[in-house]
Amino acid sequence: KAGVTQTPRYLIKTRGQQVTLSCSPISGHRSVSWYQQTPGQGLQFLFEYFSETQRNKGNFPGRFSGRQFSNSRSEMNVSTLELGDSALYLCASSLGDRKTYEQYFGPGTRLTVT
Amino acid sequence: DQQVKQNSPSLSVQEGRISILNCDYTNSMFDYFLWYKKYPAEGPTFLISISSIKDKNEDGRFTVFLNKSAKHLSLHIVPSQPGDSAVYFCAASKGTYKYIFGTGTRLKVLA
Repeated sequence: KAGVTQTPRYLIKTRGQQVTLSCSPISGHRSVSWYQQTPGQGLQFLFEYFSETQRNKGNFPGRFSGRQFSNSRSEMNVSTLELGDSALYLCASSLGDRKTYEQYFGPGTRLTVT
Repeated sequence: DQQVKQNSPSLSVQEGRISILNCDYTNSMFDYFLWYKKYPAEGPTFLISISSIKDKNEDGRFTVFLNKSAKHLSLHIVPSQPGDSAVYFCAASKGTYKYIFGTGTRLKVLA
């Protein structure tokens, strides 16, 4: 079974621009969560999508948004990029059935904002 | 407020010996816990989980112990191998897929 895939793997953007990251979960998984990893803050939860609806949300500003499609693929968007948004963005895939809570991560997208 | 803490930033262990990684949490509502291994420039790799209805879970060389009264969990790796050298994260959730992660412990297994 294929794992979680994320595209692109690396991205360089300029302050003020916006960016869209993509995540394809493991086949059969309906929950997709997004995390930001930085050296200073560690791994922090952004949001979780299940059946095209945001089910949980972390403490990030409204510049960070996401969506999920009917095939469970998810995208994350960051608008008006700031230097502090430079981070590894990780997507995690889960069954979403609230019976098993394991999450499986993709390789991440390394975003650099200059 | 760090709800999940890994107080040892690093740990060195001889090959073949036991590695014990510790994790403490403050929120008694956490009921599901995960351990991950992470190599640089890669996503975390899921290792093992435990729910609050259990106090132990084993998977091959990996065993996780949960002490709810102490709000403490530990990951045991036996025997340790050089390929186990990585950063290990514990994570906790309250019956959702929103996980709070610890800051990680860097394990170095010496050959």
